Amino acid sequence: ELKVEQNPLFLSMQEGKNYTIYCNYSTTSDRLYWYRQDPGKSLESLFVLLSNGAVKQEGRLMASLDTKARLSTLHITAAVHDLSATYFCAVVLPNTGNQFYFGTGTSLTVIP
Amino acid sequence: DTGVSQNPRHKITKRGQNVTFRCDPISEHNRLYWYRQTLGQGPEFLTYFQNEAQLEKSRLLSDRFSAERPKGSFSTLEIQRTEQGDSAMYLCASSQDRLNSPLHFGNGTRLTVT
Repeated sequence: ELKVEQNPLFLSMQEGKNYTIYCNYSTTSDRLYWYRQDPGKSLESLFVLLSNGAVKQEGRLMASLDTKARLSTLHITAAVHDLSATYFCAVVLPNTGNQFYFGTGTSLTVIP
Repeated sequence: DTGVSQNPRHKITKRGQNVTFRCDPISEHNRLYWYRQTLGQGPEFLTYFQNEAQLEKSRLLSDRFSAERPKGSFSTLEIQRTEQGDSAMYLCASSQDRLNSPLHFGNGTRLTVT
């Protein structure tokens, strides 16, 4: 079974600082997704990473994928309070196409 | 695009009762998924439909759980003889019929079994 691990699980950072969230997975996969979840809300798709070396950026968030290392990173630049949320990565088993395995999430709090 | 809609938003039931949840996916999405999420955890896959066919089901899914998507549009998830361990947020998601499409989630149904 595919295991997806994120670290850190909890992250408290000051506004204006940079930080990186890591997502490791245990089995070969060529697709990785990042989601955001606000408290009491559902998950919102942020990025889809489809190949080794893929990099996507949206505002202060940048995601990358290294399929050889089975690692994805979500980098936060100059954090602002609005980025406070829980971030999940999700990996799909190859040749199934349909079972998304989610990490345990990283709860991010940005402090003014 | 009105998004994925789930009903009810909250359900409180007594142990041993049956409950049914409904999901209306985004209209042009052929794929529909059910996930379960408990506090502090990521969503856990339950089952997947391609149109009306249930193609994948988690091995963790007990026989008390059943899902249907009779006409390839809305779906229902039924839990029979509920147990306290069933208390969770049940999320429905849909996606386009393309390999790399992300999941679009509904707001979920929060189940509390007393």
